[in-house]
Amino acid sequence: DAGVIQSPRHEVTEMGQEVTLRCKPISGHDYLFWYRQTMMRGLELLIYFNNNVPIDDSGMPEDRFSAKMPNASFSTLKIQPSEPRDSAVYFCASMGLAVQNEQFFGPGTRLTVL
Amino acid sequence: AQTVTQSQPEMSVQEAETVTLSCTYDTSESNYYLFWYKQPPSRQMILVIRQEAYKQQNATENRFSVNFQKAAKSFSLKISDSQLGDTAMYFCAFDQTGANNLFFGTGTRLTVIP
Repeated sequence: DAGVIQSPRHEVTEMGQEVTLRCKPISGHDYLFWYRQTMMRGLELLIYFNNNVPIDDSGMPEDRFSAKMPNASFSTLKIQPSEPRDSAVYFCASMGLAVQNEQFFGPGTRLTVL
Repeated sequence: AQTVTQSQPEMSVQEAETVTLSCTYDTSESNYYLFWYKQPPSRQMILVIRQEAYKQQNATENRFSVNFQKAAKSFSLKISDSQLGDTAMYFCAFDQTGANNLFFGTGTRLTVIP
C-alpha cells in the first residue's frame, strides 16, 4: 500500500492567490482528516470526512478555507484568498474501521504564503 | 474539553541509553485512546504506539513502551536502547472513543547523542 499521498509537497504562493492542496487516502479507509501544524498552535484538526461526507468542520479557521471529498479516493483543501498567516504544514490522514481510532498520516504539504 | 500536556520541550539521551517522555492529559471521559507519534525531520507523522484506556496492561512495541496511569491521567513513553534514528519530535495524542478528533500535545524534541 502506498500510504496517504499528498500533493504538492511544497507550495509557495503570494498573498491573495488561491491554493489547492490534494490528498489521496489509503484505499478502503472510510475516514479522512485534514490537520494544520504551526509553531504557534501545534497540530490542529481542521475538518474530517466519513464516507465522503463532512462530519466536523468546526476547526476550519474561516470562510477562506473549504474542503471537499468528491469520491472515496480524493480530497482537496482550498484556501482562497490565501494570507501569510496561512503558512503552515497541512497534513492529511485517513483511518479505516479495521483498527479503530488509528490515523495514518500523509507526508504533509508545506505552504508558504508571501 | 480535552487537553494534552507535554512538559518537556526538549530532551537528549546518549545512544543505547533509556529515556522517558512525559505526557499528562485531562478528560472527563472513561473510554478513549492515547497515542505517541514520532515526527522526524522528514516531518512525516509516524505512529509509535497506542493504548486503549480500558486496557490495564501497558502497551509495548519493540523498544517502545508506555506507562499508563489512568487515575493519574499520565501516559509516558519509554524508549529503550536509544538509536540515532529515534531523533525526532514526539507528540502525545488523545482521542475520545467515537469522537475521531485527535488532540495533540505540544511535542518533545528528542535528540539521541552518539
